[in-house]
Amino acid sequence: EIVLTQSPGTLSLSPGERATLSCRASQSVRSSYLGWYQQKPGQAPRLLIYGASSRATGIPDRFSGSGSGTDFTLTISRLEPEDFAVYYCQQYGGSPLTFGGGTKVEIK
Amino acid sequence: QVQLVQSGAEVKKPGASVKVSCKASGYTFTGYYIHWVRQAPGQGLEWMGRINSNSGGTNYAQKFQGRVTMTRDTSISTAYMELSRLTSDDTAVYYCATHIAAPGSLDYWGQGTLVTVSS
Repeated sequence: EIVLTQSPGTLSLSPGERATLSCRASQSVRSSYLGWYQQKPGQAPRLLIYGASSRATGIPDRFSGSGSGTDFTLTISRLEPEDFAVYYCQQYGGSPLTFGGGTKVEIK
Repeated sequence: QVQLVQSGAEVKKPGASVKVSCKASGYTFTGYYIHWVRQAPGQGLEWMGRINSNSGGTNYAQKFQGRVTMTRDTSISTAYMELSRLTSDDTAVYYCATHIAAPGSLDYWGQGTLVTVSS
């Protein structure tokens, strides 16, 4: 099983600042199968990025993904008030599908 | 538009079983897998398994082997997840999800079904 470790656990930032979230895999992940999700309280997760760097439908371009192998990054270029949430990475390059433990982006 | 609509909240006693449904619309149901993911209160996301909506073939996470059964009814575009021998640790929101335009990721999710296990 591929274990995904996200860091930091919590990121305290102000609106307008840049957020950089990390996801490290225990073994190499095929980039085609690395995704990032946003989840707000009481809501289902929303796919932001798939294939490590492709934005899902309707996702603003302030969200970008990068990385390969075992190290992946989600960047939010300028935080908007609605971006404060929990973010999860996910892989399905190898079964089972696994999620990281999440990074909470909170208002500083 | 693509929609996954799940059944309502359930309260079950320890040892019982629960069956959650997920009705799909807006796309060809048999063309895509349905995945099931759960989230315990205040915790992260946990993948339970998936079902091939066309063939009915399943892949379950090892943790749930022997306790989970995923089925589907193609005539009504609905997938089901049944979990047996419930304990308090199974209290969670259960989601169905699918991947249509995003290979390897889950781009459409149901609204979630809260299952509470309590004596």
